[in-house]
Amino acid sequence: DAKTTQPNSMESNEEEPVHLPCNHSTISGTDYIHWYRQLPSQGPEYVIHGLTSNVNNRMASLAIAEDRKSSTLILHRATLRDAAVYYCILGRNTPLVFGKGTRLSVIA
Amino acid sequence: GAVVSQHPSRVICKSGTSVKIECRSLDFQATTMFWYRQFPKQSLMLMATSNEGSKATYEQGVEKDKFLINHASLTLSTLTVTSAHPEDSSFYICSASKQPLLSGNTIYFGEGSWLTVV
Repeated sequence: DAKTTQPNSMESNEEEPVHLPCNHSTISGTDYIHWYRQLPSQGPEYVIHGLTSNVNNRMASLAIAEDRKSSTLILHRATLRDAAVYYCILGRNTPLVFGKGTRLSVIA
Repeated sequence: GAVVSQHPSRVICKSGTSVKIECRSLDFQATTMFWYRQFPKQSLMLMATSNEGSKATYEQGVEKDKFLINHASLTLSTLTVTSAHPEDSSFYICSASKQPLLSGNTIYFGEGSWLTVV
């Protein structure tokens, strides 16, 4: 499985933007970049995914580097409810394989 | 949006007994479902891939005779933990894909089921 590298933890102030980085230097041409998040004691929640172009939805934005070797999940205004573990996963024709993710703490 | 539901959300069972966890796709047909296990403060670990109408594919190190998976319909997969022991206590999570799994498909996750074996 193609691997991703994320910081173990990040901290943000409430109502400020958060940029969560992910490195995936071994990404293949057909890999999508998926982001999921997991709140405490819940199953993972889909956030966003993309292939080459930047993507926006109601939850977040995904900025993908031109060479696709890295991406950034952008939460435009962090709230306390965004405190979670965020997983960056490359999707191939296999199940999603989770790494350790980034634990985001949001400070009021 | 698509919803995947698990039942029960929490279950306590005695050591040596079996317990069944259900995973249902509520508004779509799931040709493929996946079962994960998560221990406290750890990431999700894939246990098996369940395809409707065929035998599940288990990840290395997962005992297929202990973790029985049945995917009898396009909306229901079950995980049965047989002869449960305290070390099987964990958070079990299922997920489902709407279509045969392709790289760009969104995969939806259930709420998870806490199993405590006493």
